[in-house]
Amino acid sequence: QSALTQPPSVSGAPGQRVTISCTGSSSNFGAGWNVHWYQQFPGTAPKLLIFLDSNRPSGVPDRFSGSKSGTSASLAITGLQAEDEADYYCQSFDFSLGGYAFGTGTKVTVL
Amino acid sequence: QVQLVQSGAEVKKPGTSVKVSCEASGYIFTNYYVHWVRQAPGQGLEWMAMINPSGGSTTYAQHMQGRVTVTRDTSTSTVYMELRSLRSEDTAVYYCVREREAVIVAPNSGVDYWGQGTLVTVSS
Repeated sequence: QSALTQPPSVSGAPGQRVTISCTGSSSNFGAGWNVHWYQQFPGTAPKLLIFLDSNRPSGVPDRFSGSKSGTSASLAITGLQAEDEADYYCQSFDFSLGGYAFGTGTKVTVL
Repeated sequence: QVQLVQSGAEVKKPGTSVKVSCEASGYIFTNYYVHWVRQAPGQGLEWMAMINPSGGSTTYAQHMQGRVTVTRDTSTSTVYMELRSLRSEDTAVYYCVREREAVIVAPNSGVDYWGQGTLVTVSS
């Protein structure tokens, strides 16, 4: 059982806003550990999308945003585009596991 | 530019071991944690282990302890991951990845550079 739980899939029409939740616990987010988000296209390595809860690396469009509160985090995509169709993973540190943990992953489908 | 170049695909029999290498370039090797992450076919990402290339200290995922060993060679800026007692469930793409911020900063800053991945297939 993963320390970080995400919905298996979310979908939206082009231009819409979608959010992906990442549910943690007192041993990760609740303990103050930051969340990071990654985007992965089929057959390629993941790419860092958001770091330290809400920061975007250079080159990541500002339609991607992240937040964290209590034991949960979320990634929002506003103005959804066809090119955003991919898998998304959250990641943090979990002290009960003694290491890093990835979320279960969410597939975003653009209708 | 930062690069992590991994060794090639491997096919192994159950019960044997595999050792995957990851050669780093474009940055000061001893300044950044390196992690190993794997992804089984059609599955999600799984964190396995990390190493501080400076002193060589390691941290392993609890469920991997005893079967995985990560080492480094500072003379060649290379990190190695050895997985023993292979079983079919270990079939996956294995990635080495670099921590975004230097070791001197607190861990868990995100990982920003990924190797190209090494497919390890375990089959009899």
